[in-house]
Amino acid sequence: NAGVTQTPKFRILKIGQSMTLQCTQDMNHNYMYWYRQDPGMGLKLIYYSVGAGITDKGEVPNGYNVSRSTTEDFPLRLELAAPSQTSVYFCASSYWSGGLGTGELFFGEGSRLTVL
Amino acid sequence: AQTVTQSQPEMSVQEAETVTLSCTYDTSESDYYLFWYKQPPSRQMILVIRQEAYKQQNATENRFSVNFQKAAKSFSLKISDSQLGDAAMYFCAYIASGTYKYIFGTGTRLKVLA
Repeated sequence: NAGVTQTPKFRILKIGQSMTLQCTQDMNHNYMYWYRQDPGMGLKLIYYSVGAGITDKGEVPNGYNVSRSTTEDFPLRLELAAPSQTSVYFCASSYWSGGLGTGELFFGEGSRLTVL
Repeated sequence: AQTVTQSQPEMSVQEAETVTLSCTYDTSESDYYLFWYKQPPSRQMILVIRQEAYKQQNATENRFSVNFQKAAKSFSLKISDSQLGDAAMYFCAYIASGTYKYIFGTGTRLKVLA
C-alpha cells in the first residue's frame, strides 16, 4: 500500500538552481495537488490537476511549474530557486467521479526544501 | 468566499482527559465534506475523521468524535482519553462536493501533558 510517494524527502538548493519534486500515486486518483507549508502555517495550494493532461494554478503558483502526463505522476518543477521557496512541500491526491467520492485527501510524507 | 477558521492556535490537555478543538466555516453550499487532519512532528498528514454535510449523525472514530452543527457552520473535534501520541497540529478542512479546492484552517497545536 504505497499511496502517495514523494521524493526527495530533503533537499538543499542554492539560489538560482532548479529541481523537480517527484510525486506518484498508485490509487488511480484523478485529482492531484501540490501544497506548500511554511513554518507554523497552514497549507497553500500551488498547483492542482483534475486528470492526465489537465493542470491549473492554485493560490501561489509563481516560481513553479507542473505537468501531468499520466494519472500516476505529478511532478513539481522549481525554476530559479529563491529563499522564499524554502518550505515543506506536500503532494496529495483524491478521487472524485461525477461529484461523488469520499473526499479524502491522501498526502505524501512531505519534502523539506531549503534554498540558501 | 469559503473560509475555515480555527480560533485556537494552541490547546493543552492532561493525559486521559478530554479536549475539544473548534472549527467554524463559511459556505453557501449545501453539499460538502468536512475533515480533521492530524500532523504529528513527523509532518505526515493523517486523516482523523470526516463528515458528509448531508448526514445528520456526528461521525466517530474510536476516541475521536465531532460535533457537527450545520446551521451554525461549526465542526468541532472531541478527543477523549487523550494520549501522548495525540500531540500534533490539527487542521480542519472543507471541500464543496464536485469542486477541486480544499480549504484548510490555520491549525491548532495540541499539547498533551503527562
